[in-house]
This record gives sequence, structure tokens and C-alpha cells, in this order.
Amino acid sequence: DIQMTQSPSSLSASVGDRVTITCRASQNIYTYLNWYQQKPGKAPKLLISAASSLQSGVPSRFSGSGSGTDFTLTISSLQPEDFATYYCQQSYITPWTFGQGTKVEIK
Amino acid sequence: EVQLVESGGGLVQPGGSLRLSCAASGFTFSSYSMNWVRQAPGTGLEWVSYISSSITTIYYADSVKGRFTISRDNAKNSLYLQMSSLRAEDTAVYYCARGPSSFDYWGQGTLVTVSS
Repeated sequence: DIQMTQSPSSLSASVGDRVTITCRASQNIYTYLNWYQQKPGKAPKLLISAASSLQSGVPSRFSGSGSGTDFTLTISSLQPEDFATYYCQQSYITPWTFGQGTKVEIK
Repeated sequence: EVQLVESGGGLVQPGGSLRLSCAASGFTFSSYSMNWVRQAPGTGLEWVSYISSSITTIYYADSVKGRFTISRDNAKNSLYLQMSSLRAEDTAVYYCARGPSSFDYWGQGTLVTVSS
């Protein structure tokens, strides 16, 4: 199975900060990488697919990059509604696997 | 509006069985692959199973293979997960999610608790 490792596991940031979350795959997954946002008690929401394709309705402050084994999710200017847990997921081969999550908290 | 509504969760004893359902609306269900994804309390996400739109392809996570069965009824716009030989480690919120491999719509989830 492909292992997905996110870093950091958690971070504290202020409104307006630039935030970067990284995700590393245990083997080459090309650009088969998706990012999700999950708020407490809610279902995950797809933010970015295919490493960098922003889903409809997702604010442009979110962006994704990377290919191969190393990927990043960037929030250019953190907003109050962005405090949540973020997961990466590889869609290259089954079993689809997720990273362990990165919790973004208010500083 | 796309909607996915899970049902069927509850408390079950170890070794027991449960059938989850997911009712879909707002899109052409028969054209989309579907998945089940679960989340144990306080932990991350784990993909469980996939079924293609025409039911020709099915995949399972190793952790549930041989115990869980995914199915769908395209005439009823419904997805199912038959779970048997349940274990404590199967305790989780179970989500249905529209596929094929990135999950663009999710239900609200249904909680399955396996405990004596």
C-alpha cells in the first residue's frame, strides 16, 4: 500500500498568515493527489484534485502543487473559516490512502 | 443539489452484522462510481470499498475484505454496505462518497459502534 505522510501534524497560525502543509507519498503517484478539509462533526470537503485543480466554489486562497512524491497545500491568507483538519489522499492505486491529517488551529 | 444520506448505523455486538444504506439524489446515480470511507473516533480517514457505476468493478480494503460487501441498486439510487463479523476496530463513522477516486460529494455519515 502507498503510505501518505503529512507534516506538520498540527500547526497554530493567525488570521492572515500564509500556511503550507506538505504531503509525501511512499512511491511515485504522479499527480494523483487530492486535498480535503474537514471541520469538527462534518464530512470532509474536496478542495483540490489532481494535485493542483481547485474545485468549483473553493476560494482561490487555496492552492496545491507538486508531483511524484512531494506535494503541498498552501493557504495564502488564512481566514477564520479555514481552521480545520486537512487531509491528503492518493488516487493512483487502490487501496486509496489518506495522510494522517494536519490540524490548523488558531494562534 | 447533490445529496447523499446514509442510514443503518447503530450499536452491534462483536461478531454481529449490520447493513448500511446511502440514498443518493440530485445527480444521475447510475453514471457514478461510489465509495465507502470510514473514520474511527478521533482519528483519520480510511477508505473501505469502491463500486463502479455498472457494478463491474469492486474493491475492498484489506481490513474488511471477506467481511464486508458493497452493492448498489441503480434503479433505487442507493448504495449499500453489508458488514458482518464485526470487530471493535470497525467502530467508526461511515461515509458514502461519490467517486471514482477523488471524492467530490460526501454524506453526513452514520455511526457504527461495535461493543458488547
